[in-house]
Amino acid sequence: NAGVMQNPRHLVRRRGQEARLRCSPMKGHSHVYWYRQLPEEGLKFMVYLQKENIIDESGMPKERFSAEFPKEGPSILRIQQVVRGDSAAYFCASSPTGGGDYGYTFGSGTRLTVV
Amino acid sequence: QQQVKQSPQSLIVQKGGIPIINCAYENTAFDYFPWYQQFPGKGPALLIAIRPDVSEKKEGRFTISFNKSAKQFSLHIMDSQPGDSATYFCAASRGGSNYKLTFGKGTLLTVNP
Repeated sequence: NAGVMQNPRHLVRRRGQEARLRCSPMKGHSHVYWYRQLPEEGLKFMVYLQKENIIDESGMPKERFSAEFPKEGPSILRIQQVVRGDSAAYFCASSPTGGGDYGYTFGSGTRLTVV
Repeated sequence: QQQVKQSPQSLIVQKGGIPIINCAYENTAFDYFPWYQQFPGKGPALLIAIRPDVSEKKEGRFTISFNKSAKQFSLHIMDSQPGDSATYFCAASRGGSNYKLTFGKGTLLTVNP
């Protein structure tokens, strides 16, 4: 039973390019969450999605960031026109129900470096 | 605005020692307090969690102590082992939006052989 799969593991983008981060939840999990971890910081909530629905995007920057979880396929976090400050580790988590108190399962993350 | 403050930033103990990591929170609406363990290059993994209706919870060598009046909670690792060397994060969430965890900044624990 594969865990939460994120790819790529490492992504390097030049300033102004687009970054696409993918997340496949655990089998049977229909709730997906994205968190960002800046250096020396804890994880910060970004967005919570269910299939074809954004439930809570209160942690998403207002511009350049978007997320989706289509009916088929992985969840995608898209960052347009990346800047140096977007360099961070982005973690996806999934759960069988919509509550963190059931215990998220996190993926191993995508390390984004903007040069 | 940091809603969950974690200390210390780093901690070094000898094998068999009992490291203690502390967290303090501000939001009295928080009602779920998990601890996560993260190894380099990996995502955080749930270690143990507690709700405010109990003052202590133990799972194996890991114990959470919870002080509701002081708005503090801590993680104790009994008989620590080199394999426990990792970064530990406390977190909190509140009813109605338990999916949204607020994390502390983490504690890097090193257990020397």
